[in-house]
Amino acid sequence: GAGVSQSPSNKVTEKGKDVELRCDPISGHTALYWYRQSLGQGLEFLIYFQGNSAPDKSGLPSDRFSAERTGGSVSTLTIQRTQQEDSAVYLCASSPGQGIGEQFFGPGTRLTVL
Amino acid sequence: SQQGEEDPQALSIQEGENATMNCSYKTSINNLQWYRQNSGRGLVHLILIRSNEREKHSGRLRVTLDTSKKSSSLLITASRAADTASYFCARRTGGGNKLTFGTGTQLKVEL
Repeated sequence: GAGVSQSPSNKVTEKGKDVELRCDPISGHTALYWYRQSLGQGLEFLIYFQGNSAPDKSGLPSDRFSAERTGGSVSTLTIQRTQQEDSAVYLCASSPGQGIGEQFFGPGTRLTVL
Repeated sequence: SQQGEEDPQALSIQEGENATMNCSYKTSINNLQWYRQNSGRGLVHLILIRSNEREKHSGRLRVTLDTSKKSSSLLITASRAADTASYFCARRTGGGNKLTFGTGTQLKVEL
C-alpha cells in the first residue's frame, strides 16, 4: 500500500516568508509526528498528533512554528517568518494506534531559507 | 540536544565483514529502535527491542540491550555494499510517544 507522502519535496524560500509543508500519513494511522533533521544530524522531534489533537508540542522551537491535522489524516506544518536556521529536512512519520512501536517515515521536505 | 550518542560516528569496512554500532542513552526507556537512512529509501525501521528484552535478531541484524549500562548495540553480519547508510538508534521514553534519536553512525561498506 501507499506509504507516507510529503509535499513539496523541496522548497526554497526567502527569509521572512511563510511556508507550509504537507504530510499525508498511511491510511488508518492515528498517530502522526513531525521531526526536523539538520545537515549531518539526527532527528529532532517537533510535534505529535493523536487523531486531530496534539498532546505533545514540546519540540516546536518557537511560536513561528505551528501544525494542524484535519480529519485524522493530512497534517500541515507552517513556519512563519522563516529564518535561515530553519533550513533543514522536515520529516513526517505515522504509526498505528498509540504509536508505541515502529514509525513509518515519509521522504521529507528539504527546506532552504535564503 | 540529542539524548545519547551513537559510536562510532563513522565506520568503514570491507564487504563481508561485520559492523558493530553502539548507542548510549541517559534516561530509562520503554523500547529502543534502530533505523537506517540512505538517500535512496529515506528513513526505514530495522528492529525494535523492548526494555525487558536483552537480545533480538532479524536476518543479518542482531541487537542487544543492556539497561543497566543504558546502552545498545547493532551488529550487521556479512555486510554488503547495500548496507552503506546512516544508522540511528531511537528511544521511546516514559509515557510519551515521540522518539528521541541519536546522532547516527555513518557506515560505508566497500567492495
